[in-house]
Amino acid sequence: GAVVSQHPSRVICKSGTSVKIECRSLDFQATTMFWYRQFPKQSLMLMATSNEGSKATYEQGVEKDKFLINHASLTLSTLTVTSAHPEDSSFYICSARVPAGAGNTIYFGEGSWLTVV
Amino acid sequence: QKEVEQDPGPLSVPEGAIVSLNCTYSNSAFQYFMWYRQYSRKGPELLMYTYSSGNKEDGRFTAQVDKSSKYISLFIRDSQPSDSATYLCAMSLGNTPLVFGKGTRLSVIA
Repeated sequence: GAVVSQHPSRVICKSGTSVKIECRSLDFQATTMFWYRQFPKQSLMLMATSNEGSKATYEQGVEKDKFLINHASLTLSTLTVTSAHPEDSSFYICSARVPAGAGNTIYFGEGSWLTVV
Repeated sequence: QKEVEQDPGPLSVPEGAIVSLNCTYSNSAFQYFMWYRQYSRKGPELLMYTYSSGNKEDGRFTAQVDKSSKYISLFIRDSQPSDSATYLCAMSLGNTPLVFGKGTRLSVIA
């Protein structure tokens, strides 16, 4: 299957600082990527849909000024958690859609654990 | 009613058993159906993908879709301890985000 890579896999940051998480599609071009947040023993919660070259579409209740998403190229989307607080500590996962002609399936990255201290 | 319903389990089976995991959905417009496996503290891994009613087999895994009943299943034959994970069903309309079930936690006991 297609490969989606996330970096870093784990990050610890101080409260009030910002942290960036990268999501890359390694062997295909992804016009659409998705960012999720997952709390322990819960299902994935969609935060935003990221389309290459345009502004991300945020789900209701997700602060777009706090969770900055940039999809500057067909293989890279970034999520920046600004002015992080302990309640932002979570597992963040990205996914990327394979183009329709190649199956239209969605593959996930390995996830990034964020701990804000 | 949630769009996708999935029994969260936990489901515990002995090694070698056949496992049946199921989801029901309410939106008849869903076109694409997927099953993901998620190990603890990892991202979901795509297991099966289908877009039509019927069965699709891949090794020990069989995905079944019944659009008339709005019901999908994943069967795991000869289950192994390494199959212990959370299994997520997901579906979409096409160029839309996936809608997930809550996930079923499976434990295969050696």
